[in-house]
Amino acid sequence: QKEVEQDPGPLSVPEGAIVSLNCTYSNSAFQYFMWYRQYSRKGPELLMYTYSSGNKEDGRFTAQVDKSSKYISLFIRDSQPSDSATYLCAMSVRGNNRLAFGKGNQVVVIP
Amino acid sequence: EAQVTQNPRYLITVTGKKLTVTCSQNMNHEYMSWYRQDPGLGLRQIYYSMNVEVTDKGDVPEGYKVSRKEKRNFPLILESPSPNQTSLYFCASSVTGGDWEQYFGPGTRLTVT
Repeated sequence: QKEVEQDPGPLSVPEGAIVSLNCTYSNSAFQYFMWYRQYSRKGPELLMYTYSSGNKEDGRFTAQVDKSSKYISLFIRDSQPSDSATYLCAMSVRGNNRLAFGKGNQVVVIP
Repeated sequence: EAQVTQNPRYLITVTGKKLTVTCSQNMNHEYMSWYRQDPGLGLRQIYYSMNVEVTDKGDVPEGYKVSRKEKRNFPLILESPSPNQTSLYFCASSVTGGDWEQYFGPGTRLTVT
């Protein structure tokens, strides 16, 4: 079983729809949970991070972590064409030297 | 401007011809790392460095070398490139190794024929 699973299937949604992305993981030691956004021909950039379980909201973006189910989610409300990108989940253990990444989800928001 | 730079951005080479991809950061970060990104496989860590003269293997180190002689630079060396090293390479840095925010460079698209 891979450490982080993210279904890489592309997702196309109409403008204004809610985008829902998720990842599952197997390592119960993960404490930090991140979402990176990667535009075409660019490097990934940090979008949101959460520590342990719970929700975090930042504008139109909400990140959720359920450690009991080893499941994290990212929701994008009122999606815009500018949200079209690949979204990668990432996780780490405090004090560890690496991030474990999911494969990424390509999201296309259609005007 | 705080940034991670990589050079070259695009490179086409032939099997066996040694090459170096440079990476530099201007944020005084201790931690630097190299990843490769392949369709269907996502981002995989090649090597990382906790500080000057301290490097360690990531998940896919075979066929690569690194060095960290200065804090700001972390070059990736392919001494004898092969076609299976054709990939998109990213350098990243962060304040410390456990930091959740890594700053990525713009990427280097490498093709080995």
